[in-house]
Amino acid sequence: GDSVTQMEGPVTLSEEAFLTINCTYTATGYPSLFWYVQYPGEGLQLLLKATKADDKGSNKGFEATYRKETTSFHLEKGSVQVSDSAVYFCALSPTGNQFYFGTGTSLTVIP
Amino acid sequence: DAGVIQSPRHEVTEMGQEVTLRCKPISGHNSLFWYRQTMMRGLELLIYFNNNVPIDDSGMPEDRFSAKMPNASFSTLKIQPSEPRDSAVYFCASSLEATGKETQYFGPGTRLLVL
Repeated sequence: GDSVTQMEGPVTLSEEAFLTINCTYTATGYPSLFWYVQYPGEGLQLLLKATKADDKGSNKGFEATYRKETTSFHLEKGSVQVSDSAVYFCALSPTGNQFYFGTGTSLTVIP
Repeated sequence: DAGVIQSPRHEVTEMGQEVTLRCKPISGHNSLFWYRQTMMRGLELLIYFNNNVPIDDSGMPEDRFSAKMPNASFSTLKIQPSEPRDSAVYFCASSLEATGKETQYFGPGTRLLVL
């Protein structure tokens, strides 16, 4: 069935370090792919999304490219800040409002 | 524009009591989702509605859980009787189903503690 697998955490980085959080997916057809972020004590917020192959989603310095050949949607940021500390969820939506979330990756950025 | 509204934000109750969680989706959205989040199990989809009709309730853990959506602007998730293992954060989310791949918008969640 459809699913996403994301990198296990927790991840701890120093400020200004490069971030990669891996996400791979299994799906039939042409799903949309999402990254959500959850700050402490809050609900999930959409960070970025891509709806077709080779699309690049970007927001707040974060980027992810929809790679159909490798079934991946890795999240990257060139220089993380302390304020980026949160839990990041990769998600897939194949069709019909179904949504499949990954298990989440906790990121802590230290000054 | 108001986002998804959930109430209460925090609930502490004793085992055996009935708990009702409430959600108001974003105006104009026609799909609504209830999720449960715990450290052990992560984010789990409990049920979702489309145009006020339950479409998939396979994630509802057992008969103690029930959900209703009497109109497009209101939904409830009820647990009766509650048990300590129901302690979790419950999120409501809504989306506008146009292509079937729409973004879900989450509420702030209800933190439930069952003693």
